[in-house]
Amino acid sequence: QPALTQPPSSSASPGESARLTCTLSSDTDVGGHIMYWYQQKPGSPPRYLLYYNSDSDKGLASGVPSRFSGSKDASVNTATLLISGLQSEDEADYYCMFWPNNDVVFGGGTKLTVL
Amino acid sequence: QVQLVQSGAEVKMPGASVTVSCKASGHNFMTYYWNWLRQVPGQGLEWMGWINPYNGDRSYQQKFQGRVTMTRDTSIATIYMHLSNLRPDDTATYYCVGGRAKDWGSAWGQGTLVTVSS
Repeated sequence: QPALTQPPSSSASPGESARLTCTLSSDTDVGGHIMYWYQQKPGSPPRYLLYYNSDSDKGLASGVPSRFSGSKDASVNTATLLISGLQSEDEADYYCMFWPNNDVVFGGGTKLTVL
Repeated sequence: QVQLVQSGAEVKMPGASVTVSCKASGHNFMTYYWNWLRQVPGQGLEWMGWINPYNGDRSYQQKFQGRVTMTRDTSIATIYMHLSNLRPDDTATYYCVGGRAKDWGSAWGQGTLVTVSS
């Protein structure tokens, strides 16, 4: 059963960059899947941020600042959400997701603290 | 852009059933796969299943097989999630979400809190 693993927490200071990782289980290959990322703040539904498949196949959701971007590293079977120029408003929970077959799979989420 | 409005909060006894509705307005209702997710308080997102509004095809997460039924009424652009044999650990906020390739999750309902308690 494919699974996604995210570190439970991460922190960075305003103006710095945050890299949030999402590691796929060994039974599936990150290179073969579109990865999706979401942001959730307390009391609100998640917000769709972006999808990333490759540098030539990626997309930012409407209204999402270009400070948010995605990447993949096949050598460690991991997708990454990069947030550059961190702002206090970026403090939230972040979830990765993929759709490997008929099922949709979410990572457990990373709580990002902006120090 | 499609807007989604879900039905209101529910309180149910263990063993009961609940139906949550999600009404879409705007364009593109038929172009999404309509998903249901849930989030237990303080925990992460859990996908429950999807329904294709065009032909009614469904896929449910194995964990919910036998207890969940997703339906749609295309005449009123509404989808429904019925969960039976409720247990206290089904207490969660349930979300409907529009999903399609490279645009999975641009449309979310506001969430419906279902509380299961005796």
